[in-house]
Amino acid sequence: AQSVTQPDIHITVSEGASLELRCNYSYGATPYLFWYVQSPGQGLQLLLKYFSGDTLVQGIKGFEAEFKRSQSSFNLRKPSVHWSDAAEYFCAVMNRDDKIIFGKGTRLHILP
Amino acid sequence: DAGVTQSPTHLIKTRGQQVTLRCSPKSGHDTVSWYQQALGQGPQFIFQYYEEEERQRGNFPDRFSGHQFPNYSSELNVNALLLGDSALYLCATGRATNYGYTFGSGTRLTVV
Repeated sequence: AQSVTQPDIHITVSEGASLELRCNYSYGATPYLFWYVQSPGQGLQLLLKYFSGDTLVQGIKGFEAEFKRSQSSFNLRKPSVHWSDAAEYFCAVMNRDDKIIFGKGTRLHILP
Repeated sequence: DAGVTQSPTHLIKTRGQQVTLRCSPKSGHDTVSWYQQALGQGPQFIFQYYEEEERQRGNFPDRFSGHQFPNYSSELNVNALLLGDSALYLCATGRATNYGYTFGSGTRLTVV
């Protein structure tokens, strides 16, 4: 069965520091992978997605993610975080039937 | 171009009651998926509709049912509400031939 693991429930970084959020997935075939961001009380906004091709994917708001098949990982990175990046981040995998399976999320806190 | 519209935004119901949530897809989208997001959790897939048919279903009881209309809008119905049904219900729409799903802002359901 497909699954997504986000090992960090909370992450705190200082404004201007770099960020890496971890994501590991379990899926038998080549996965479709996503990162979404959710601000409090809001819906989900797509940051980036990987379907095939270049394993380094660029997204919105300066985020990028790297697909590593050997490690079953799809970690999200940003070189310099802003206070407005404080939110909940969800990694997700989609199966061939368009069902999206989400991780439990990582809450990002930004220190001024 | 309106995105995904969900109504109502907030709802309070009593245990045992029934509720209907609505979703209007983004223009050009023909597929609607519903997700339940409990507090502090990632979204859980409920079911997906395409061409007015339920195409696949997650691990939710039959109390959860849905419908898709010819204009691609959709309803989620929950019968015999339980306290545990309290959650944010998210609608995601997309095109059957394209794996880019757009999420609405959700309906916050509170069962008392």
